[in-house]
Amino acid sequence: GAVVSQHPSRVICKSGTSVKIECRSLDFQATTMFWYRQFPKQSLMLMATSNEGSKATYEQGVEKDKFLINHASLTLSTLTVTSAHPEDSSFYICSALGPLSSYEQYFGPGTRLTVT
Amino acid sequence: KNEVEQSPQNLTAQEGEFITINCSYSVGISALHWLQQHPGGGIVSLFMLSSGKKKHGRLIATINIQEKHSSLHITASHPRDSAVYICAVLMDSNYQLIWGAGTKLIIKP
Repeated sequence: GAVVSQHPSRVICKSGTSVKIECRSLDFQATTMFWYRQFPKQSLMLMATSNEGSKATYEQGVEKDKFLINHASLTLSTLTVTSAHPEDSSFYICSALGPLSSYEQYFGPGTRLTVT
Repeated sequence: KNEVEQSPQNLTAQEGEFITINCSYSVGISALHWLQQHPGGGIVSLFMLSSGKKKHGRLIATINIQEKHSSLHITASHPRDSAVYICAVLMDSNYQLIWGAGTKLIIKP
């Protein structure tokens, strides 16, 4: 089946630095990818929809200048957390719309970000 | 009222027991996902359903579109099944997912 990978799986960074998280569709082309965030003991929250070759669509309340999303190719979307703060510490998950139908969505394993 | 409701919120059972987790939704959907989230946070997609029933190993997922309800069953449960199980529905108006709050399952040996 379709596989989505994320890198890194865990990252610790200092306040004020930027962190890039990669989401790759390994064996299919994904024109649309999604980025989610999960706070401890809470459900996942959609941050933005990433479309290849165009600007990402951000959900209300998500700062686009802080969470930079780039979907430069059909197999790679990146999320960059800029000027990270401890409150940005969270679990970030990406997913990609599958190759066969608009219903199939494949999830990456997630990235645990800790900002110290 | 949340658009996706899962029950129970927490479930503790003994090894070998038959487990049922329920998901009810109030919106029109194209499909429903069941996902498993391990204690470390990693997410595994278990099933995607748009109708009927699917089985994979000891896991069975069913959906009743008319009643807007889905169930995830685990037969012969094992401690390694301990995880959070999440139901998410794909709205039929767009590609966005609405997530349930999850069910934390603990299987005791």
